[in-house]
Amino acid sequence: AQSVTQLGSHVSVSEGALVLLRCNYSSSVPPYLFWYVQYPNQGLQLLLKYTTGATLVKGINGFEAEFKKSETSFHLTKPSAHMSDAAEYFCAVSPKWDSSASKIIFGSGTRLSIRP
Amino acid sequence: DSGVTQTPKHLITATGQRVTLRCSPRSGDLSVYWYQQSLDQGLQFLIQYYNGEERAKGNILERFSAQQFPDLHSELNLSSLELGDSALYFCASSVVGTSGSTDTQYFGPGTRLTVL
Repeated sequence: AQSVTQLGSHVSVSEGALVLLRCNYSSSVPPYLFWYVQYPNQGLQLLLKYTTGATLVKGINGFEAEFKKSETSFHLTKPSAHMSDAAEYFCAVSPKWDSSASKIIFGSGTRLSIRP
Repeated sequence: DSGVTQTPKHLITATGQRVTLRCSPRSGDLSVYWYQQSLDQGLQFLIQYYNGEERAKGNILERFSAQQFPDLHSELNLSSLELGDSALYFCASSVVGTSGSTDTQYFGPGTRLTVL
């Protein structure tokens, strides 16, 4: 069975500082990996996803994530935080070879706060 | 704006009642997904429909049901409502959503259900 763990339910960084949100997955076969962002009172928006190929994935709003198979991780980073990055971030996995491949499993979320 | 619309935005009802949530997918998307987001359970996949047929089932209660109509809009029916059903219900859509697909899910703004 697949699972995804987000380390830290709340992360606070200063504006301009590095953002690092951690995500580890458990799966017998490397799954598809996603990061979503949820702004207050809004639905989820896809930041980036990893399927195959290059392990460093660039997404929207300056975010990127690196798939590390040996560490079963898919951490999300941004070199310089902006006030507008304050939101809830969800890491998610989806099985590749399954009849219900679209069944995505979300992590518990990490709330990112930005200090002025 | 993701292109996915959900109505109503807010719904307040009493225990034991039945409600219907509606979702219109993005133009051209064949798959519709329903999710429940609550404080204690996090974000959970409920069910997926693809071109009118049920494709995948997640943690959906027997009191809940869904369908997708020929025009591809979907409805989620929640009956015999309990206090614990209070949550944010999201609909998402994607182009295909079949096994092995990597198409992106686009989320609607959600319906906030409050059961009193």
